[in-house]
This record gives sequence, C-alpha cells and structure tokens, in this order.
Amino acid sequence: EAQVTQNPRYLITVTGKKLTVTCSQNMNHEYMSWYRQDPGLGLRQIYYSMNVEVTDKGDVPEGYKVSRKEKRNFPLILESPSPNQTSLYFCASSETGTGIQPQHFGDGTRLSIL
Amino acid sequence: AQKVTQAQTEISVVEKEDVTLDCVYETRDTTYYLFWYKQPPSGELVFLIRRNSFDEQNEISGRYSWNFQKSTSSFNFTITASQVVDSAVYFCALRRISGGYNKLIFGAGTRLAVHP
Repeated sequence: EAQVTQNPRYLITVTGKKLTVTCSQNMNHEYMSWYRQDPGLGLRQIYYSMNVEVTDKGDVPEGYKVSRKEKRNFPLILESPSPNQTSLYFCASSETGTGIQPQHFGDGTRLSIL
Repeated sequence: AQKVTQAQTEISVVEKEDVTLDCVYETRDTTYYLFWYKQPPSGELVFLIRRNSFDEQNEISGRYSWNFQKSTSSFNFTITASQVVDSAVYFCALRRISGGYNKLIFGAGTRLAVHP
C-alpha cells in the first residue's frame, strides 16, 4: 500500500530536549516536505526537499532541521524544542517537486512541548 | 503574493442540508492549481480534488461538487444532502506551476459539523 508514514503519532516532551519525527514514503517519490498545522493558520511549509541532493527552507523553518540522506526518508529534527513548536505536523511527498501531482500526506504527528 | 482565504471558520448544519464551503484565492500567476483536502476527526489529510486554472468546468463527484470561477477567484465546494460522516475540517489550497516547487498555500480551513 502506497503511504507516507510518520512516527511518532503523538509526543509530549519538555523544552530543550532534542527530538526527531521520522517520515518515510514507499512510493519512490522525489519530493518530500514538512508542514505544521496551527488553528486559524492552516498548514504552513517548514522545509522541503526536491530530491536527495536538494533541501531548502519553507515559510517557517526557524527552530527546525531536516535531513535527506535517502530518497525514502525525510526526518524533521527539533534540536531544542520550545513551547511555540507545539503543533500538528505533517509530512508529504509527491513524484516530483515541479509536477502537478497531488501531495500524499502522512497521518500527522501531534507534538506538545511543555 | 499568493493567498487563500476561507472566510467561514465553522459551519454547523443538520443532516441532509446542502452546504457550501467558500474559497477565495489570490495569485498573479495565470497558471496554477487549486486543491481541496478533507481532514476528518482522525486527523489525516485526504485529497479531494485538483483543478487547473484553465479548466473552469464545474465538477461533480457523488454528493460533492466544485464551482471554479476565475473571474471572482473562487473555488467553492458544495456538499449536497450532507451526512454526519462529512464532519471534518476542509482545506482549500493553491499551487503555482511556473517557477516554483511543489508548495501548497493553504487556507485556514473550515470546520464543518453535520448534526443528526
């Protein structure tokens, strides 16, 4: 089954404790992206990766890092999480970064930073 | 600048009522795509429809229909004979085609509650 898998689905942690949210897709997609969803703001892009060699900032990259060592994986790293990063996070992928294919989204990761 | 506005924050209807979710977008591009996604209470995002800027034909899929009007920069979504299972947050999104990567600009979402 074609899917984008995020882990964990839920996490409660404390300020400053490094955490990683994993994202994996099994569709051989070139393009992957991270979004955060906040009430009244919809989804906003954090980082994206056109392919294994190209990664760049989205609209709200502060406080986040990403890595794209393999085509299928695109982890989101919070080196020193803060309460304002409490949010619902989505990983997405599509065949390419410039095509018109709809993005496939993971099921979301709800992070609470205390 | 590109922007998507979903002015209706929450809508509450009774089952079997028709309901229209509004989406107004702003872009300077002549070529772009518009999307609707559904987010049920379980939280995942479900793709509903994609429409390109050159295709202003309305589309119907079962109880769902979409009205794209380029002249008013609107891409409205109507659910006919709503059901409780339609309760969800619905997002409208815009994607430019030229000169850009595959970033979606989302509206803030409309929460639809369908009551029995």
